Amino acid sequence: QQQVKQSPQSLIVQKGGISIINCAYENTAFDYFPWYQQFPGKGPALLIAIRPDVSEKKEGRFTISFNKSAKQFSLHIMDSQPGDSATYFCAAGYGGSQGNLIFGKGTKLSVKP
Amino acid sequence: NAGVMQNPRHLVRRRGQEARLRCSPMKGHSHVYWYRQLPEEGLKFMVYLQKENIIDESGMPKERFSAEFPKEGPSILRIQQVVRGDSAAYFCASSRERSYGYTFGSGTRLTVV
Repeated sequence: QQQVKQSPQSLIVQKGGISIINCAYENTAFDYFPWYQQFPGKGPALLIAIRPDVSEKKEGRFTISFNKSAKQFSLHIMDSQPGDSATYFCAAGYGGSQGNLIFGKGTKLSVKP
Repeated sequence: NAGVMQNPRHLVRRRGQEARLRCSPMKGHSHVYWYRQLPEEGLKFMVYLQKENIIDESGMPKERFSAEFPKEGPSILRIQQVVRGDSAAYFCASSRERSYGYTFGSGTRLTVV
C-alpha cells in the first residue's frame, strides 16, 4: 500500500521528442505527487508537483498528468533536450505524514542529440 | 543563500567503525529530513527532526542508527558498527516549516569496506 511503482527503468529519446514517465500508487490517502530530477553526484531537485484535485499541471516543458480513478500519474517532457538527461523520480506523500515522501525507483533518461 | 550543506561528500569506513554524517540546513530552516538511497533504488525516508526533537523515525533501522538535531550546530546521522549493507548515499533535506516542499543537499556517499 505504501509503494509507488515507476516505469520505465530507463528511457532513450531523441532531441526534440517527448519523454513520458509513468507512476502508479495504491494508497488513496496520498495527496501530494511531486517529480524530482537528479543529476549524477547531486541531490534530487523538485521539478514539479501536483495535488489530486487537478488533472494536469504544466510548467514550461514539463507537464504532470494525473488520473485519480486509475491511481496513476505521469511526467511528460516536451521538446526533450540533452540537458534533460538525468534520473527522474516520482514520489507521493499524504496528509497524515509529517512530511516524508514515498519515492519510486527512478527512470534514467538519456536524450540523444 | 547557501543551500543544504552536507559533509563529508564521500566517506569510507571499515566494517565495525562508526560513521557520522553532518547536515547544515538552509538558513531559517528548522526542519530536517534524512533519506537513504541504495544503488539503483529510489530514496527511502529515514527520520524527520526539528530542533532538539525527533518527530518521526519510522524509517530508521532499529539498531545502530541514530539522529540528532541540536539547538546549535548541524544535524547528525550516526551509524555505529557499520556493515557493507550500509553503503549508500545519504541525503538530507530541510524546510522552513513542516512541508513537502523541501530542498535536498548533495548527499554523503558512504562506502563500507
